[in-house]
Amino acid sequence: DTAVSQTPKYLVTQMGNDKSIKCEQNLGHDTMYWYKQDSKKFLKIMFSYNNKELIINETVPNRFSPKSPDKAHLNLHINSLELGDSAVYFCASSFDSYTEAFFGQGTRLTVV
Amino acid sequence: QKEVEQDPGPLSVPEGAIVSLNCTYSNSAFQYFMWYRQYSRKGPELLMYTYSSGNKEDGRFTAQVDKSSKYISLFIRDSQPSDSATYLCAMITNYGGATNKLIFGTGTLLAVQP
Repeated sequence: DTAVSQTPKYLVTQMGNDKSIKCEQNLGHDTMYWYKQDSKKFLKIMFSYNNKELIINETVPNRFSPKSPDKAHLNLHINSLELGDSAVYFCASSFDSYTEAFFGQGTRLTVV
Repeated sequence: QKEVEQDPGPLSVPEGAIVSLNCTYSNSAFQYFMWYRQYSRKGPELLMYTYSSGNKEDGRFTAQVDKSSKYISLFIRDSQPSDSATYLCAMITNYGGATNKLIFGTGTLLAVQP
């Protein structure tokens, strides 16, 4: 029974396309995140949500639009994909903003 | 300069060795400290969480925090080939409310040779 699950696991798409990644957590957590991991393994926070409300937006291009329909779900929609968007995107959740985060298995996005 | 600095390695050790992994940070607002392990093509998994200076032990793993020096360490005793992974330190600020950030170091790639 996966705690934080995201789909799809792999995504290969052409430049200019629009794509979405979905995330769900069954831990009852209030806080959810999107992180981007580049080829050098650096994990950079993109967004955080608390109880469906956007709390942190780390100067991410507005082509990236997160949406939280309820506190168990946080989706990420990306418009007009660029080559530089290729990375692994991780969804995570935590009980609150002071506690450890639990990560999904990642979505490997390749833009060609 | 990144808020959290971590030597990327790679670090290669023989099986059974004691491994020391370290991070330094510059922001005094960091109050909560974690170590994550990430296997290739997997998500990071939490190893240790601590919020005070001092040591915390869990099996073969010991996390050490020195807030006065802004320095944290993870020690792995009797290292095993299955410990081969990337180890990421992570820290949470204490700005209050929901605006705290979980910030990661760049990760250290560890290889334990059998």
